[in-house]
Amino acid sequence: DAKTTQPPSMDCAEGRAANLPCNHSTISGNEYVYWYRQIHSQGPQYIIHGLKNNETNEMASLIITEDRKSSTLILPHATLRDTAVYYCIAQRYGQNFVFGPGTRLSVLP
Amino acid sequence: DAGVIQSPRHEVTEMGQEVTLRCKPISGHNSLFWYRQTMMRGLELLIYFNNNVPIDDSGMPEDRFSAKMPNASFSTLKIQPSEPRDSAVYFCASRAGSTDTQYFGPGTRLTVL
Repeated sequence: DAKTTQPPSMDCAEGRAANLPCNHSTISGNEYVYWYRQIHSQGPQYIIHGLKNNETNEMASLIITEDRKSSTLILPHATLRDTAVYYCIAQRYGQNFVFGPGTRLSVLP
Repeated sequence: DAGVIQSPRHEVTEMGQEVTLRCKPISGHNSLFWYRQTMMRGLELLIYFNNNVPIDDSGMPEDRFSAKMPNASFSTLKIQPSEPRDSAVYFCASRAGSTDTQYFGPGTRLTVL
């Protein structure tokens, strides 16, 4: 499975959009991009996933570049409750997740 | 609908004791995963089951760890004997057969003294 690279930490002002980048330059054509987050002391929470097209749900938007080598998770209006570690995972269907260290997002008042 | 349920939420035990962690997956999900999370190693997959059958246990640290899934609605992870280095948060997750999305439980925080 492709390895992903994320910045270790980011800050975002409350109410502003949080844009979390993920690099997956070795991703193959059949690997999906998944995003999870883990709020302190809780289990990881599914956010969104995609293959080629951009995706949006009630939590976030996922923008995948045309060459699929990177993606961005967008939280449109970050709140203090969005403070968490965000994990980007690239994997083939049917394979198990491999969680990296993720990005620690701090939403500041 | 209830999510993944884990018990106990916290467990404190002494070295050498047996520890049993429990998990109830989401109804209808046919895959179940056990993970361990530590500061040093992050989130690691220990074992996963598909239709109650263990598929991959390569992440199980050693013979002191064992996992069972006697039916579709219950799984256990047992550590016998426990050691201080087993202290971690243990998560259970489940997945429906039609998707790769896993849903995690709240975890069990294990402290071995």
